[in-house]
Amino acid sequence: QVQLVQSGAEVKKPGASVKVSCKTSGYTFTDYYLHWVRQAPGQGLEWMGWIKPNTGDTNYAQKFQGWVTMSRDTSISTAYMELIRLRPDDTAVYYCARDEGYGDQAFDYWGQGTLVTVSS
Amino acid sequence: QSVLTQPPSASGTPGQRVTISCSGSSSNIGRNAVTWYQQLPGTAPKLLIYSNHQRPSGVPDRFSGSKSGTSASLAISGLQSEDEADYSCATWDDSLNGVVFGGGTKLTVL
Repeated sequence: QVQLVQSGAEVKKPGASVKVSCKTSGYTFTDYYLHWVRQAPGQGLEWMGWIKPNTGDTNYAQKFQGWVTMSRDTSISTAYMELIRLRPDDTAVYYCARDEGYGDQAFDYWGQGTLVTVSS
Repeated sequence: QSVLTQPPSASGTPGQRVTISCSGSSSNIGRNAVTWYQQLPGTAPKLLIYSNHQRPSGVPDRFSGSKSGTSASLAISGLQSEDEADYSCATWDDSLNGVVFGGGTKLTVL
């Protein structure tokens, strides 16, 4: 069965960076785009961008350009999201999600989420 | 401030039919398919509706989606207590070149 398993919770100081991993299984990693979505406490979902695993091509939301890097390691079917220059308002649960591939950016499988807390 | 507008809350009694709206613009809902997610407390979102009205396997037919112009709606009929959750709409925005979400609607089953 399809699974997306993310790395564990992180606590970071302002100005630091964080790298979250998303290990996939149960399907061909290079066949589906992977997206990253975050959710601040009590807030709605916010799309950060996608990575195309077979080429490494990325598309970041305008807000995160210059600030986020998405990458992947096809040998272990894992995607990564790194956010730099963290601020307290980056405190959120970060999700990876698989694009179901029908062309309408619907996310059919999600990771369990990784809580990133930014605090001095 | 979310690009797509949803009511912050909705409610209904068991067995009732409730509708949640999602309003956008010509650059997003007006041109692209709408997706709906259900999020139970403390869990990751779950795909509920894609391509405006399609249900993934396993989603009960009590859930239905529709779109008209720059707005979309999610309807839940035969409301059950386990439907109490947050519901979010999403679509692609051609101007922003990215996925946009609604702020989410918290559904309470009274």
